[in-house]
Amino acid sequence: GNSVTQMEGPVTLSEEAFLTINCTYTATGYPSLFWYVQYPGEGLQLLLKATKADDKGSNKGFEATYRKETTSFHLEKGSVQVSDSAVYFCALSDMNRDDKIIFGKGTRLHILP
Amino acid sequence: DTAVSQTPKYLVTQMGNDKSIKCEQNLGHDTMYWYKQDSKKFLKIMFSYNNKELIINETVPNRFSPKSPDKAHLNLHINSLELGDSAVYFCASSQYPDGGTDGYTFGSGTRLTVV
Repeated sequence: GNSVTQMEGPVTLSEEAFLTINCTYTATGYPSLFWYVQYPGEGLQLLLKATKADDKGSNKGFEATYRKETTSFHLEKGSVQVSDSAVYFCALSDMNRDDKIIFGKGTRLHILP
Repeated sequence: DTAVSQTPKYLVTQMGNDKSIKCEQNLGHDTMYWYKQDSKKFLKIMFSYNNKELIINETVPNRFSPKSPDKAHLNLHINSLELGDSAVYFCASSQYPDGGTDGYTFGSGTRLTVV
């Protein structure tokens, strides 16, 4: 079945560092891909998405490109801030196969001032 | 505000009690979900309803019973609470069961602590 694998955390970086959180997926169809963010004490919020190959999703300085050839959707940000400390979830939806979104296990990010 | 709202935000209760969590969405979505998030932040889907009809019922103890009186509401009743039920429970909604191209909208969670 479809699945999402993302790098285990926690990831600890200094402020202004470059961030990459890896995400790869397995899907038989043509899924939509998402990154969700969960700030402490809050619910998940959609951060960005891409619905077809080579699309780039972006929001709040974060970017991710839908790479079908490598089945990846890595999250990047050029200069992280303390306020980016959160848990990040990669996810996919495959309309032809699943009746739910498949979530990764989450990656906790700590940004040090 | 358009949103998914769930109540209560915090719930502390003793083992053996019965409790309910309520969820409402005013987004006009057809599908609603309950997720359980453990202490390691792992998300596990429990139930989903599409237009008041149960479409997902994962391996969940039958002490958990969802109820959807209409497509804007999905409640979760838990009987005979156990220590292992302590977690954060999230409600979510979407227009399509698989999330489509817009994904899910989540509530802010209910932190359940069983003592």
